[in-house]
Amino acid sequence: DGGITQSPKYLFRKEGQNVTLSCEQNLNHDAMYWYRQDPGQGLRLIYYSQIVNDFQKGDIAEGYSVSREKKESFPLTVTSAQKNPTAFYLCASKLAVSNQPQHFGDGTRLSIL
Amino acid sequence: GNSVTQMEGPVTLSEEAFLTINCTYTATGYPSLFWYVQYPGEGLQLLLKATKADDKGSNKGFEATYRKETTSFHLEKGSVQVSDSAVYFCALSDKGVQGAQKLVFGQGTRLTINP
Repeated sequence: DGGITQSPKYLFRKEGQNVTLSCEQNLNHDAMYWYRQDPGQGLRLIYYSQIVNDFQKGDIAEGYSVSREKKESFPLTVTSAQKNPTAFYLCASKLAVSNQPQHFGDGTRLSIL
Repeated sequence: GNSVTQMEGPVTLSEEAFLTINCTYTATGYPSLFWYVQYPGEGLQLLLKATKADDKGSNKGFEATYRKETTSFHLEKGSVQVSDSAVYFCALSDKGVQGAQKLVFGQGTRLTINP
């Protein structure tokens, strides 16, 4: 079955550490996205990528980094510069065709130890 | 910039009640509009969408009509079930760099249906 796989489901980080969240899709989608969700709030866009080797900052990119070396993969690194990283992180992808919806993974919950 | 405002929750209803979750938007141009649903501990699932004025999106008994004159996309269901308990997000498409589609989300409305 095609879909978006995020791993791990739960992740714990010590202060000062970088951590990388994985996102893989086998839907042959062109565009991929990372969102952050905080309790009681909507989703906020961190980074997005339309094609391999190209990505753009979203609304809250500070303290995060991404790469897009393969079409299927869009890993997100939460760096030590992100002062409040505890959140639920969601990855999404879509076809480049206009008006097609984004499809979401099941998320990774990141907590600080 | 473009924005979405949703009815504040939480909303609690009894089974078989009528549901309305209000959503209004501010946008330049003609964005597509979406409703997504999130069950506990999961990602978002697309519930329905509408791409132009007067379009009606529908799925699983839920409906929403794209109203350009009132800039609204209210979600309705005639008879809710306990299994409809979830968080519902209204979203609109926005243009990013190089024409990439970005979604702008409302804050979400938590719905609880009691048996």
